[in-house]
Amino acid sequence: DTAVSQTPKYLVTQMGNDKSIKCEQNLGHDTMYWYKQDSKKFLKIMFSYNNKELIINETVPNRFSPKSPDKAHLNLHINSLELGDSAVYFCASSQLRGGGVETQYFGPGTRLLVL
Amino acid sequence: GDSVTQMEGPVTLSEEAFLTINCTYTATGYPSLFWYVQYPGEGLQLLLKATKADDKGSNKGFEATYRKETTSFHLEKGSVQVSDSAVYFCALIRADRGSTLGRLYFGRGTQLTVWP
Repeated sequence: DTAVSQTPKYLVTQMGNDKSIKCEQNLGHDTMYWYKQDSKKFLKIMFSYNNKELIINETVPNRFSPKSPDKAHLNLHINSLELGDSAVYFCASSQLRGGGVETQYFGPGTRLLVL
Repeated sequence: GDSVTQMEGPVTLSEEAFLTINCTYTATGYPSLFWYVQYPGEGLQLLLKATKADDKGSNKGFEATYRKETTSFHLEKGSVQVSDSAVYFCALIRADRGSTLGRLYFGRGTQLTVWP
């Protein structure tokens, strides 16, 4: 069974459209994350939810809105897609313990291409 | 602010060569350090980690030692294989109270290609 899964794996869409990416984890973790990997492979955190509460909200355009219906799911909705949104989006999860020892487990990524 | 600096790639080696990928960090407090690997077309997998000074993380023949005095966490492998071809990311999480929990800071990644 896949620990952290994302759908879809590939997403090709037109500028201006609205799209969603879904993430689910079956590890029983209490914290989930969204990361963006740009064309140069640089990874940066976007959001993090702990027990359905937003705890990290990086400087991300308001067009990006995360939603966590429960601890096992974290979705990312993107409005009015722009060319610069083209990237690979990774979901991750961990059990937050505050000592920095927790490991984040990553999903396979969603490759978004905006035309 | 907290940051991770990795040697720039790409790194190209022949099979059975020795590998070193340098990683240094800047952080206040007491970070935990990680190496993640990303195989072509896949997500990130944890390769190894170390949570305090002088700890050595190891996995699949890879090793890295947490050196507080040089703020480094260099990745090494004695004999690389073609199957090790991937992008390697060094990362840190701050462990002290007052930091934003769970925030992973990544280096820019180092592409490794191993030829037979």
